[in-house]
Amino acid sequence: GQQVMQIPQYQHVQEGEDFTTYCNSSTTLSNIQWYKQRPGGHPVFLIQLVKSGEVKKQKRLTFQFGEAKKNSSLHITATQTTDVGTYFCAGPRGSGGGADGLTFGKGTHLIIQP
Amino acid sequence: GAVVSQHPSRVICKSGTSVKIECRSLDFQATTMFWYRQFPKQSLMLMATSNEGSKATYEQGVEKDKFLINHASLTLSTLTVTSAHPEDSSFYICSASIQETQYFGPGTRLLVL
Repeated sequence: GQQVMQIPQYQHVQEGEDFTTYCNSSTTLSNIQWYKQRPGGHPVFLIQLVKSGEVKKQKRLTFQFGEAKKNSSLHITATQTTDVGTYFCAGPRGSGGGADGLTFGKGTHLIIQP
Repeated sequence: GAVVSQHPSRVICKSGTSVKIECRSLDFQATTMFWYRQFPKQSLMLMATSNEGSKATYEQGVEKDKFLINHASLTLSTLTVTSAHPEDSSFYICSASIQETQYFGPGTRLLVL
């Protein structure tokens, strides 16, 4: 079945350093989504990428979707303590369209040292 | 954005009892809702797809007789954990999708003693 792999599992950074998490799917995706989960909280939608090679930015966050639509990355510039949490990528199961749920990567736990 | 609520947010029960968790879409109608489970420090795993007016679709390895799902209306899906055991202790999260974006409820933390 479809697998979504994410690395690294844990990332410790000093506040102000950059952070990147990488996501790879075993199958081509119609889109890829990124979520953030704060400790004790629930996943919150960050963004969806649809087009091959797409790059989107949200302030200090940059999201990329690979040309083959099988990999993606999230890069945070100059991390802040508010960035702490687990970042998940997720791809639609089946043919997409939101009807089949999501397959999540294992997530990258971002730990920031002041 | 779309809002999904869950009730209760936290529940502690004795082994052998049943627990019902409600998932509601507050400002939109959802013909399909999803139930996920998340163990500590792990990712979300899809348990089942809840379809309004029809039977739920369960993922491989998820017992349909243990995790009863009812999607009685376009805004409400319920998950009942029957005869709960300590290994069922987990974080249960529902979601509903609009145009391929999934909106998650706040989750229910279940602790079975």
